[in-house]
Amino acid sequence: DADVTQTPRNRITKTGKRIMLECSQTKGHDRMYWYRQDPGLGLRLIYYSFDVKDINKGEISDGYSVSRQAQAKFSLSLESAIPNQTALYFCATQGPGSGELFFGEGSRLTVL
Amino acid sequence: SQKIEQNSEALNIQEGKTATLTCNYTNYSPAYLQWYRQDPGRGPVFLLLIRENEKEKRKERLKVTFDTTLKQSLFHITASQPADSATYLCARSPSGSARQLTFGSGTQLTVLP
Repeated sequence: DADVTQTPRNRITKTGKRIMLECSQTKGHDRMYWYRQDPGLGLRLIYYSFDVKDINKGEISDGYSVSRQAQAKFSLSLESAIPNQTALYFCATQGPGSGELFFGEGSRLTVL
Repeated sequence: SQKIEQNSEALNIQEGKTATLTCNYTNYSPAYLQWYRQDPGRGPVFLLLIRENEKEKRKERLKVTFDTTLKQSLFHITASQPADSATYLCARSPSGSARQLTFGSGTQLTVLP
């Protein structure tokens, strides 16, 4: 089983709908991140959390919100999806004292 | 602002040759650079990390160099194989936290048999 699991893997929705992408991890890491990947652009940080009570905005947080339900779970929500939020979304974890990120397999979101 | 550029979007080489990918950055020198591999439809996988006080790092057929004068990191794959075909991402950070990690857009490497 994957250490970092994202659901759903693919989702097609319509403009204005609320969408939640979920991430769970079995690595026991406190630090979790949500990134967005668009063609020709690097991964961009949306939100990050260093523990259950610590949530921080990243570079491109507008239009997104997150919830850290437990150490192992970090969800990303789009309250009212718009077409330019069509992208590949990745969740990642990071161990203590380690720069290395462990990524999930990604959630491909299409907003029509 | 921080910026990181990878030399080309695509690189084709012949099997057995050494692939060299370039990562250039602007402004301040990062505390470290990371390299990841990403296969189509998959999440990035960590390969190597090199710190600013290190000139070179190796792992099996992989080698990363870090030149703070040129503001550049080179990523080498020796004796390349078709299985090495993937997109390779570099990322820089001024600290050990991924919250300040800036990713390049990647170089797609194709190793031809």
